[in-house]
Amino acid sequence: GQSLEQPSEVTAVEGAIVQINCTYQTSGFYGLSWYQQHDGGAPTFLSYNALDGLEETGRFSSFLSRSDSYGYLLLQELQMKDSASYFCAVMNTGFQKLVFGTGTRLLVSP
Amino acid sequence: DSGVTQTPKHLITATGQRVTLRCSPRSGDLSVYWYQQSLDQGLQFLIQYYNGEERAKGNILERFSAQQFPDLHSELNLSSLELGDSALYFCASSVGRGTVHNEQFFGPGTRLTVL
Repeated sequence: GQSLEQPSEVTAVEGAIVQINCTYQTSGFYGLSWYQQHDGGAPTFLSYNALDGLEETGRFSSFLSRSDSYGYLLLQELQMKDSASYFCAVMNTGFQKLVFGTGTRLLVSP
Repeated sequence: DSGVTQTPKHLITATGQRVTLRCSPRSGDLSVYWYQQSLDQGLQFLIQYYNGEERAKGNILERFSAQQFPDLHSELNLSSLELGDSALYFCASSVGRGTVHNEQFFGPGTRLTVL
């Protein structure tokens, strides 16, 4: 099966940089994704890493190390609107379903 | 706006009742996924349909069932409702059987409250 671990909560101030970590255990690996979810809102796709290294999309970057079964989401120049929950996710063997981590709640303060 | 629609937005009902949640996927998407998200919980995969056929099952209770119709919209039926079924129910869609780059498009969700 698959399991993913994330910190439950991270706090930061506006303009800062924050890193949200994700460690995973999976029998087959088909890439690590990140989703953002604001309170009461729908999850939205942020990024996907299939290979080791850093993928950058604007203020957000995502990193993967397959040998360490580890990834992180890096948020730069934090804004108040970045306050949300962030979930990492992996695809299960058979490409049937996404397995989500427990989520990290990011609180950005002024 | 992801292009995935869900109705109703809110639903309040009593224990023991039955409800139906509806989802229309993005235009062109053949797969529909259902998720349950309880308070302070992550997203729990319930079931997937691809082009009308059930493709994958997750932690779905026997009291719950789903189907996907020829026009590709999907319904999730929840019966003999219990207080613990109160949650946000999300529908997501993707183009193929699986998801490209693990990207699924989520609807706005239906908030179910069982009293």
